[in-house]
Amino acid sequence: DTAVSQTPKYLVTQMGNDKSIKCEQNLGHDTMYWYKQDSKKFLKIMFSYNNKELIINETVPNRFSPKSPDKAHLNLHINSLELGDSAVYFCASSQEVVGKANTGELFFGEGSRLTVL
Amino acid sequence: DAKTTQPPSMDCAEGRAANLPCNHSTISGNEYVYWYRQIHSQGPQYIIHGLKNNETNEMASLIITEDRKSSTLILPHATLRDTAVYYCIVRVGGYGNKLVFGAGTILRVKS
Repeated sequence: DTAVSQTPKYLVTQMGNDKSIKCEQNLGHDTMYWYKQDSKKFLKIMFSYNNKELIINETVPNRFSPKSPDKAHLNLHINSLELGDSAVYFCASSQEVVGKANTGELFFGEGSRLTVL
Repeated sequence: DAKTTQPPSMDCAEGRAANLPCNHSTISGNEYVYWYRQIHSQGPQYIIHGLKNNETNEMASLIITEDRKSSTLILPHATLRDTAVYYCIVRVGGYGNKLVFGAGTILRVKS
């Protein structure tokens, strides 16, 4: 069983469209993340959720809206897609507990490559 | 979070030890050193982390200098499958703290 799975793996779409990427983890973790890796290969954190609560929200356009229906799922919806949104999007999960020294070990999915034409 | 400095690339012969350096001269007392790697077209993979003491697991060893201003990741017997980008990251331990990835070191293991 894949620990962190993302769908779709590849997504090609036109500018202006709305698309979603889904992420599920079966590790029992309570924290999930979205990272973006652009063409220059830099990995940047976008969002983090803990038990469905948003805890990290980097400077990301409002067109990006994460949704966490439960702690095992964190989906990313993108409105009005732009050329600059083309990237590989990685979902990750970890076990983070308030007040404890967490390991900081993140488990990443295989990525979803989004191409905006 | 403190910044890290890594060489952009390194080569290593297959079967030899790969020693990847990282400078983190502004690290704070509560910041851990983490190493991740990313093999081409895959998601990043956790390797090891430490605070002060040297650490070893089934993948690698982490050597942290006494002043904690630098560290070295050691892959004892590099294989072709270890060719990847290796990221050294410093991060405050605890809830809600983010991992910030830099440019990393491209390690090429050659036969």
